[in-house]
Amino acid sequence: GAGVSQSPRYKVAKRGQDVALRCDPISGHVSLFWYQQALGQGPEFLTYFQNEAQLDKSGLPSDRFFAERPEGSVSTLKIQRTQQEDSAVYLCASRPQGRHGYTFGSGTRLTVV
Amino acid sequence: GDSVTQMEGPVTLSEEAFLTINCTYTATGYPSLFWYVQYPGEGLQLLLKATKADDKGSNKGFEATYRKETTSFHLEKGSVQVSDSAVYFCALSDRNFNKFYFGSGTKLNVKP
Repeated sequence: GAGVSQSPRYKVAKRGQDVALRCDPISGHVSLFWYQQALGQGPEFLTYFQNEAQLDKSGLPSDRFFAERPEGSVSTLKIQRTQQEDSAVYLCASRPQGRHGYTFGSGTRLTVV
Repeated sequence: GDSVTQMEGPVTLSEEAFLTINCTYTATGYPSLFWYVQYPGEGLQLLLKATKADDKGSNKGFEATYRKETTSFHLEKGSVQVSDSAVYFCALSDRNFNKFYFGSGTKLNVKP
């Protein structure tokens, strides 16, 4: 597609519920990134894939967070047993091989109640 | 660790006023520096970048110069427009551009 597509745009989860957030990167983009943006803050790095390989997951805040990209295209960020502090906008970005610039999606706004 | 500090907003200006949004950074090594813009309801968009000291990034009338001696990358525009109203984020990246550190954002409101 023309841009990075994320779904759903909005998700309300009850505390303790599991959620899955989807990212469709730009076709052919090798690198894919997930960021978490709390209200009033800048995005914070979560994890990075090159094709299907997860090369850096140092930003995942706990073992309740898990990301995968099994075929090197679509990626899913899963959060188990959601907590109120997980409420944020989750941003996905992709980048083609050999380039520096990311293209960000519009994000998924997760609200845990 | 690496970090970015930018001036708090909101910043409210009249159309055609001069804009400065301050940004300073802390980093090991030689980071690249960026300004991203987020318009309401949209994703982050790259506005400009500079990859080494004394480089000037520019785009759409905005400019920023990578100042290693003051560890700064201040964003400037000579004459803002209502359409520039958005949230602006300063960021730095590691040498491989695989991890970005963002400031907390500065909201700009431009009034006609």
